[in-house]
Amino acid sequence: AQTVTQSQPEMSVQEAETVTLSCTYDTSENNYYLFWYKQPPSRQMILVIRQEAYKQQNATENRFSVNFQKAAKSFSLKISDSQLGDTAMYFCAFMKLAGTYKYIFGTGTRLKVLA
Amino acid sequence: NAGVTQTPKFRILKIGQSMTLQCTQDMNHNYMYWYRQDPGMGLKLIYYSVGAGITDKGEVPNGYNVSRSTTEDFPLRLELAAPSQTSVYFCASTPTTKEIGGNQPQHFGDGTRLSIL
Repeated sequence: AQTVTQSQPEMSVQEAETVTLSCTYDTSENNYYLFWYKQPPSRQMILVIRQEAYKQQNATENRFSVNFQKAAKSFSLKISDSQLGDTAMYFCAFMKLAGTYKYIFGTGTRLKVLA
Repeated sequence: NAGVTQTPKFRILKIGQSMTLQCTQDMNHNYMYWYRQDPGMGLKLIYYSVGAGITDKGEVPNGYNVSRSTTEDFPLRLELAAPSQTSVYFCASTPTTKEIGGNQPQHFGDGTRLSIL
């Protein structure tokens, strides 16, 4: 069975600074996706970034980038130039690339961006 | 294109009551899911379906039932509501492997906040 662990329940960062959120996972699968989702107070689940396990290159989306270490089963999210609108819960998620496409979520990290 | 629609958005139940959370999607997706999110926690899978007539248990199925008589609808039933079922419930759907590489690998509804008192 797969597990996803986020060891930082809460973090804060000053506006315009950089912050890194940690995620580790455990799986015996070789083909999978990893995701970071943002959940603002509105409760919407907003996809931030995804990483295909077969790609060695780290994914980037504007101010968001990941550090994907497949051997170490680590998948951290770096937010550069933090903005007040980045304040939210962030969830790391794993999806096996076969079968049922269901997510395994971590417990989340609450990020607060300070003015 | 409405996506995934959940009703109701909020509900308060008394212990022992039953209710059905509705979920419908208009994207012709085969795969549908029900998750629950307890306060300050991540989402946990309750039940899922890979197509009409096929359902299976997720991590936390106890106290719930589902059915999938059509591709569009995937209702979640609580038979005897208990305080431990106070949570926010999310329905989601996903189509194919190709879509997972797209902008929305899994389409989420807006959630149903359920309180059992």
